[in-house]
Amino acid sequence: EIVLTQSPGTLSLSPGERATLSCRASQSVTSNYLAWYQQKPGQAPRLLIYGASSRATDIPDRFSGSGSGTDFTLTISRLEPEDFAVYYCQHYGGSSRTFGQGTKVEI
Amino acid sequence: EVQLVESGGALIQPGGSLRLSCAASGFTFSNYVMTWVRQAPGKGLEWVSGISGSGGNTYYADAVKGRFTISRDNSKNTLHLQMNSLRAEDTAVYYCAKDQRNSWFTASDYWGQGTLVTVSS
Repeated sequence: EIVLTQSPGTLSLSPGERATLSCRASQSVTSNYLAWYQQKPGQAPRLLIYGASSRATDIPDRFSGSGSGTDFTLTISRLEPEDFAVYYCQHYGGSSRTFGQGTKVEI
Repeated sequence: EVQLVESGGALIQPGGSLRLSCAASGFTFSNYVMTWVRQAPGKGLEWVSGISGSGGNTYYADAVKGRFTISRDNSKNTLHLQMNSLRAEDTAVYYCAKDQRNSWFTASDYWGQGTLVTVSS
């Protein structure tokens, strides 16, 4: 089972700033089967990125994903007030799926 | 519009059983992998189980293997999770989610609002 480690645990930034979130896998992720989700308090997760770098439907282009192998990054180019939330990476390519522990982006 | 509505969550004693359901609408249910993901209070997301569009292939996290059973009724557009031998550590909000395609190698693009399962005496 692939273990995903996200860093940092918490990111304190201001609106308009750039956010860079990291997700490191314990072994190489096959075919970049790596997704990013956003979750706000009391809400279900929302798919942002799949295939490491493809934006999901209706996701603004300030969100971008990159990386391959064991190192992946979610970048939010300019934080909007609604972007303050918890972000999770997920590997979905194996017989079981795993999530990272999450990164909280706070003001 | 895709809609997923979970039901069946409850307060249940350790060792008990519970069956969760997820009613789906707005898409051709049998054409998509469906999954269950849970979130313990104040904690992160944990993948629980998944099932192929036909129901012929099922997948489980080690933490629930042998205790939980995922199934689907494509004639009723409904996903189920039968949970037996429940433990305190199974306490969580359980989300059902639709995958992007009928392939195991896809992410979950729509999620329900979740149903709370509390295991406590």
